[in-house]
Amino acid sequence: DGGITQSPKYLFRKEGQNVTLSCEQNLNHDAMYWYRQDPGQGLRLIYYSQIVNDFQKGDIAEGYSVSREKKESFPLTVTSAQKNPTAFYLCASSMLGEQYFGPGTRLTVT
Amino acid sequence: GQNIDQPTEMTATEGAIVQINCTYQTSGFNGLFWYQQHAGEAPTFLSYNVLDGLEEKGRFSSFLSRSKGYSYLLLKELQMKDSASYLCAVSPLDSSYKLIFGSGTRLLVRP
Repeated sequence: DGGITQSPKYLFRKEGQNVTLSCEQNLNHDAMYWYRQDPGQGLRLIYYSQIVNDFQKGDIAEGYSVSREKKESFPLTVTSAQKNPTAFYLCASSMLGEQYFGPGTRLTVT
Repeated sequence: GQNIDQPTEMTATEGAIVQINCTYQTSGFNGLFWYQQHAGEAPTFLSYNVLDGLEEKGRFSSFLSRSKGYSYLLLKELQMKDSASYLCAVSPLDSSYKLIFGSGTRLLVRP
């Protein structure tokens, strides 16, 4: 059945390490997105991609990088330059309009 | 730019009706979305308003007034499982792919 998968659900890293979060969708959606959510906060857009091999910065792109080599996949790398990486990361996809979300990855950096 | 405001928290009683407001300051937008998010889970789509007026979907309804910069989500016959955060989001004119989210309203339903 169609949907968006993110793995792993929980991820722990030491400070100074880069870490890549995976996001895969089989909904045949053109657009994909990465959001960050901090406790008690709304969603803030990190990066988004409307088509393969193209992506745009969102509101809080500093310290993050993405790639979009395949329509189905939009991995997010949290680099050591990100000052406060501990958060809940959500991936989404859409055609136009409604966005469908994956289950999220909770990243803890110590 | 867009600024979206929602109350931080609300409490209501099981079986009652609750209205969650969303006000926004934006020069224009394509449409307004409401999402439900249970703690630790992904947001799920509830409703989408493009035109002014009320959209009804079972126990949930959403209202939009573009002239007043205002939307609300109405939840009827509240159930304990409705305890969740409710996120208001707008699709900006400069990019129909993007959504700008409010901070969300945490609703607690009590017996």
